Amino acid sequence: SQTIHQWPATLVQPVGSPLSLECTVEGTSNPNLYWYRQAAGRGLQLLFYSVGIGQISSEVPQNLSASRPQDRQFILSSKKLLLSDSGFYLCAWSVPGQEKETQYFGPGTRLLVL
Amino acid sequence: GQNIDQPTEMTATEGAIVQINCTYQTSGFNGLFWYQQHAGEAPTFLSYNVLDGLEEKGRFSSFLSRSKGYSYLLLKELQMKDSASYLCAVRVSSNDYKLSFGAGTTVTVRA
Repeated sequence: SQTIHQWPATLVQPVGSPLSLECTVEGTSNPNLYWYRQAAGRGLQLLFYSVGIGQISSEVPQNLSASRPQDRQFILSSKKLLLSDSGFYLCAWSVPGQEKETQYFGPGTRLLVL
Repeated sequence: GQNIDQPTEMTATEGAIVQINCTYQTSGFNGLFWYQQHAGEAPTFLSYNVLDGLEEKGRFSSFLSRSKGYSYLLLKELQMKDSASYLCAVRVSSNDYKLSFGAGTTVTVRA
């Protein structure tokens, strides 16, 4: 069966510090991968998605970036965090080509920027 | 942009039925998803509709009317564990895999 891991689970970082969040998927090959952010009381906002190694599409302009160095690894980064980067970061995966192509979410990383 | 609207909050009694509405105005439509999200946790998949009509899955059912841009999630025989946020999401294009999410409806089940 497929599983998705994210770490760390919780992170408190000062403004201006760098960020690296990691997501890995097990039990599937060539998944589509996604990064979302959920601010308190708000809906999920798609930040990046990837259909393959090194292929990243950005949905919103921001100071975040994403990379996919391996097939089942997706990394979210920032060089300098802003207060507005606080939120719940969720990684998701889906199997491309299926009719439903349901997205399945990882446990998330709660980021607080102070 | 894509508009997906849901009520912010709903309250119901244990054992009752609750209907969560979702209306959407999007540039395209290629399927609608419902997810359940307990506080502090990740969303989990509940249902998928791409054709008009009702999909039933145990205590949960989801309905879609594409001509009206409307869906609802029906929760029957409510249990305390159903207290959660319910997210409506639309796949706008058949050419990519992106979902546009509503802000979610927080359902509180009271004893």
